[in-house]
Amino acid sequence: EIVLTQSPGTLSLSPGERATLSCRASQSVSSSYLAWYQQKPGQAPRLLIYGASSRATGIPDRFSGSGSGTDFTLTISRLEPEDFAVYYCQQYGSSRDTFGQGTKLEIK
Amino acid sequence: EVQLVQSGAEVKKPGESLRISCKGSGYSFTSYWISWVRQMPGKGLEWMGRIDPSDSYTNYSPSFQGHVTISADKSISTAYLQWSSLKASDTAMYYCARFAVGVVTYMDVWGKGTTVTVSS
Repeated sequence: EIVLTQSPGTLSLSPGERATLSCRASQSVSSSYLAWYQQKPGQAPRLLIYGASSRATGIPDRFSGSGSGTDFTLTISRLEPEDFAVYYCQQYGSSRDTFGQGTKLEIK
Repeated sequence: EVQLVQSGAEVKKPGESLRISCKGSGYSFTSYWISWVRQMPGKGLEWMGRIDPSDSYTNYSPSFQGHVTISADKSISTAYLQWSSLKASDTAMYYCARFAVGVVTYMDVWGKGTTVTVSS
């Protein structure tokens, strides 16, 4: 099983700042199979990034994804108040998917 | 509008059986898989398994294999998650999600979730 480890667990930043969230895999993951999701309290997760770097429909361009192999990054260039939420990375496996444990992005 | 509509909240006792549902609309139901994801109170997302509604082929996480059953009825565009004997530890929110498999993979449409509470 591929384990995804996200860091930091909690990130405290102010609106307007840049956020960098990390997702590290226990073994190599195809970039095509790495996605990022945002979840706000009381809501279902929302797809942000797929294929490691492609934005989903309607996602603002302040969100970007990068990385390959075992190291992937979600960057939010300038934080808006609505961006404070929990973020999860997820990888697809032929027989099993896994999620990272999440990074909580909170207002400083 | 593409959407997944999940069945309502459930309150059950340990040992009881349960089936929750996820109905797709606005797209070809057999062109995408359906994944199920658990979120225990205050915790993160856990992938449980998925089904290809076109042929009912399933994959399960080892953590859930044998404890839940995922099924689908393509004639009514509905996927199911069922338990034969609930435990208190099954108390959680359960989400279904449309899963695209191809050159890239992603879960792009999510249901609002079904809350399951298991308590004596």
